[in-house]
Amino acid sequence: AQKVTQAQTEISVVEKEDVTLDCVYETRDTTYYLFWYKQPPSGELVFLIRRNSFDEQNEISGRYSWNFQKSTSSFNFTITASQVVDSAVYFCALSDHNRDDKIIFGKGTRLHILP
Amino acid sequence: DSGVTQTPKHLITATGQRVTLRCSPRSGDLSVYWYQQSLDQGLQFLIQYYNGEERAKGNILERFSAQQFPDLHSELNLSSLELGDSALYFCASSPGDRGFTEAFFGQGTRLTVV
Repeated sequence: AQKVTQAQTEISVVEKEDVTLDCVYETRDTTYYLFWYKQPPSGELVFLIRRNSFDEQNEISGRYSWNFQKSTSSFNFTITASQVVDSAVYFCALSDHNRDDKIIFGKGTRLHILP
Repeated sequence: DSGVTQTPKHLITATGQRVTLRCSPRSGDLSVYWYQQSLDQGLQFLIQYYNGEERAKGNILERFSAQQFPDLHSELNLSSLELGDSALYFCASSPGDRGFTEAFFGQGTRLTVV
C-alpha cells in the first residue's frame, strides 16, 4: 500500500535558521513520483517540486533543497536561511505511475518561522 | 497562477442542502482530480476523471458525485450536506491518465455548512 509519513507535525524556528522537513514514503512500485507542496495561510496549494523514482539527484532551488534517498525511502526538504514568508504547512506526496492515478498526501508539517 | 480555476471560492450553505463546485482544468489537461481537505482528515483523494470518464475513486461519500463534461470542465456535487462536510475542496488537473506527473491545484472552494 502507498503511504506518506511526515512525522513532524509542527516545527518552530527563528528566522535565518535552516530547517529540514522529513518525509518517508512507502510503495511497492518501482516507478513513482514524489512531490512537495506548500500551503500558506491563504489556503492554496503551491507546487514546489516533483521527483521521479529514477532520479536520485538532489535538487537545489534558491534557498530550497531536496534530498531523495531511495535506500531509506525518504524525500526530505530543507529551507536554508528561513524567512517569515516560509511559514506555511508543507505537504509531501506520492503518486504511483502504474496504479490508480492519484496523489497520496502526508498529513503535513506546519512550519512557523519566528521573527 | 496554476491555470486550474475553481468556482466559487467560498460557499456557505445549510445542512441538508445541495451544492455544486466547478473546476476548469489547465488548457490541454484531460484528467481532473478532486480532493477534500478537512482539519482532522488532511488531504483526501475523492475521485478522478479522464477525458469524460471516471478513472479512479477514493474516499468519496455516496452523497457526493462528480462528472466531467465534453469541454473537460468538471463539477463536484455534494448533497444532503452535513456539518462534517465543511472543508476545503481542491481540484487538480494533469495532462494524461497514467500517473500524476504534472501536479497543479486550483485555489480551492471553501465550503461551510451551518
